[in-house]
Amino acid sequence: ELKVEQNPLFLSMQEGKNYTIYCNYSTTSDRLYWYRQDPGKSLESLFVLLSNGAVKQEGRLMASLDTKARLSTLHITAAVHDLSATYFCAVDGEYGNKLVFGAGTILRVKS
Amino acid sequence: DVKVTQSSRYLVKRTGEKVFLECVQDMDHENMFWYRQDPGLGLRLIYFSYDVKMKEKGDIPEGYSVSREKKERFSLILESASTNQTSMYLCASTNSGGDTEAFFGQGTRLTVV
Repeated sequence: ELKVEQNPLFLSMQEGKNYTIYCNYSTTSDRLYWYRQDPGKSLESLFVLLSNGAVKQEGRLMASLDTKARLSTLHITAAVHDLSATYFCAVDGEYGNKLVFGAGTILRVKS
Repeated sequence: DVKVTQSSRYLVKRTGEKVFLECVQDMDHENMFWYRQDPGLGLRLIYFSYDVKMKEKGDIPEGYSVSREKKERFSLILESASTNQTSMYLCASTNSGGDTEAFFGQGTRLTVV
């Protein structure tokens, strides 16, 4: 059974600081997704990582994938308040393109 | 602009009622999913469908059923609502093969009283 673990589950950080969110998964997969969710809203796709060593960047966020270590990271550079949200990683499951989600990381950036 | 639309943003139902949650996508996607989201538990898959009239149970199907009569529409049915089904319900769709990026509806917050 595929399990996806994120840590930390809650992250409070000061504006301007850097931090990394980790996503570990339990079976082989070479596709991983990062989503953002604002309070009361649905999930918005951030990154799609489709191969080992994939790295994608958008603004202050950078995501990478190491399929051998079964690990993805979401790195935040010089955080700003607008990045406050919940971030989910998800991994391709079995037949049917079923995504399995991590529990989510609640990020709060303090001014 | 791609769209997954859920019929209601907020619903309040009584225990024992039969509840229908509707989801429509306009991307001609083969796969559609129903998740529920609860604090600290992330998203958990209830049911998914990979074709019209085809469905499979996810991780927590008990107390739910689904219907997919047309490709664009996937309905979640709570046969007899219970208070432990109070949750946020999210519908998603993906294409088959290749990039399986999921597109989500806006969510339905269901409260069962």
